[in-house]
Amino acid sequence: SAVISQKPSRDICQRGTSLTIQCQVDSQVTMMFWYRQQPGQSLTLIATANQGSEATYESGFVIDKFPISRPNLTFSTLTVSNMSPEDSSIYLCSVELGGRETQYFGPGTRLLVL
Amino acid sequence: QKEVEQNSGPLSVPEGAIASLNCTYSDRGSQSFFWYRQYSGKSPELIMFIYSNGDKEDGRFTAQLNKASQYVSLLIRDSQPSDSATYLCAVNIQAGGTSYGKLTFGQGTILTVHP
Repeated sequence: SAVISQKPSRDICQRGTSLTIQCQVDSQVTMMFWYRQQPGQSLTLIATANQGSEATYESGFVIDKFPISRPNLTFSTLTVSNMSPEDSSIYLCSVELGGRETQYFGPGTRLLVL
Repeated sequence: QKEVEQNSGPLSVPEGAIASLNCTYSDRGSQSFFWYRQYSGKSPELIMFIYSNGDKEDGRFTAQLNKASQYVSLLIRDSQPSDSATYLCAVNIQAGGTSYGKLTFGQGTILTVHP
């Protein structure tokens, strides 16, 4: 596996503001993903972060709300824009290692929007 | 029908017993199947993966896959209180013939192992 870190680990934000979450992995990986886990719920894929091109968003998620950057093979950011209390969730990045869609998760970012 | 469905639980078993966790999926083209364990307040941890029909054993954990029935299960033998967690089943659901590495997660089953 790889060492995956996320910053910040948690934050409390005011509605209408934006927060950028960073994900760093200690080895080069092709596939990186961003998930959301709402309280008491399972994981929902937000987007696939593609290196050198625009992210691929899942149904219900749009670039204006969740812009993603992937400047290289070890780093990605997810921005949660114009936040509302409904955005209060855990945001997780994951990387694919070893092929066959095997994904490992970072520690997550716990976001509370007031 | 949900793409990945798990028995809702919560599941409570005594220490030392076998815990059985079940998962069904809708996409017959799925090729990769995963079990993640998530402790409260932590991120999911990969504990098992299986690609072929049959059983795969790793220590106290056994994953079972039946593609014809679109069913995957996780057995935990000699359950310990430290196994108490939410267990998430994940499947690569393909869209348009390719999966692009995407995983779809079930809603999770809460397991409690009581002494």
